[in-house]
Amino acid sequence: GAGVSQSPSNKVTEKGKDVELRCDPISGHTALYWYRQSLGQGLEFLIYFQGNSAPDKSGLPSDRFSAERTGGSVSTLTIQRTQQEDSAVYLCASRTGWDNEQFFGPGTRLTVL
Amino acid sequence: QQQVKQSPQSLIVQKGGISIINCAYENTAFDYFPWYQQFPGKGPALLIAIRPDVSEKKEGRFTISFNKSAKQFSLHIMDSQPGDSATYFCAATNGNKLVFGAGTILRVKS
Repeated sequence: GAGVSQSPSNKVTEKGKDVELRCDPISGHTALYWYRQSLGQGLEFLIYFQGNSAPDKSGLPSDRFSAERTGGSVSTLTIQRTQQEDSAVYLCASRTGWDNEQFFGPGTRLTVL
Repeated sequence: QQQVKQSPQSLIVQKGGISIINCAYENTAFDYFPWYQQFPGKGPALLIAIRPDVSEKKEGRFTISFNKSAKQFSLHIMDSQPGDSATYFCAATNGNKLVFGAGTILRVKS
């Protein structure tokens, strides 16, 4: 079946602009995560959605970052007033409600000029 | 307490050799320890995982060794192949969120 998909695969933007990154999780997966991976670094947790519960936003680095998940499926990560330090690969992952395994998408590479 | 420390940062191994990557954790509540493999331009993919009730798990050429008392776990890749060249991440969780190590870049020389 289809895996986690993300769009766009690459995004180049100018400092100060807003960007939206999209994630389509695996159908039926109730949990969805966003991570940030900077060059040569590990995965930094950003936000977690589980079903209809309030999201865990504890990893969002600033109030310029926000995310929503509509209808328990597609999620959008929004970064407002982008800064050069926001340049990274943004990864989305999803999992079922009863298994620990997270399935990752290919990521969106964001470059802020 | 939420950190997972991974070493080495990079590793070069000859084809046919054994690759060993180590991780250490502090949070004794962690109860699931996966290893992820990531190729350039791709998202991480689960390679193998272990729970603390066993000391070792083997799947093909990949083995996790787990030492609960030392709060350490390691990945062993036997008969390493050039196709194993990738970045490897260890992780740990006791619930919904995975805490990742910083990653190890493995290069297997042919």
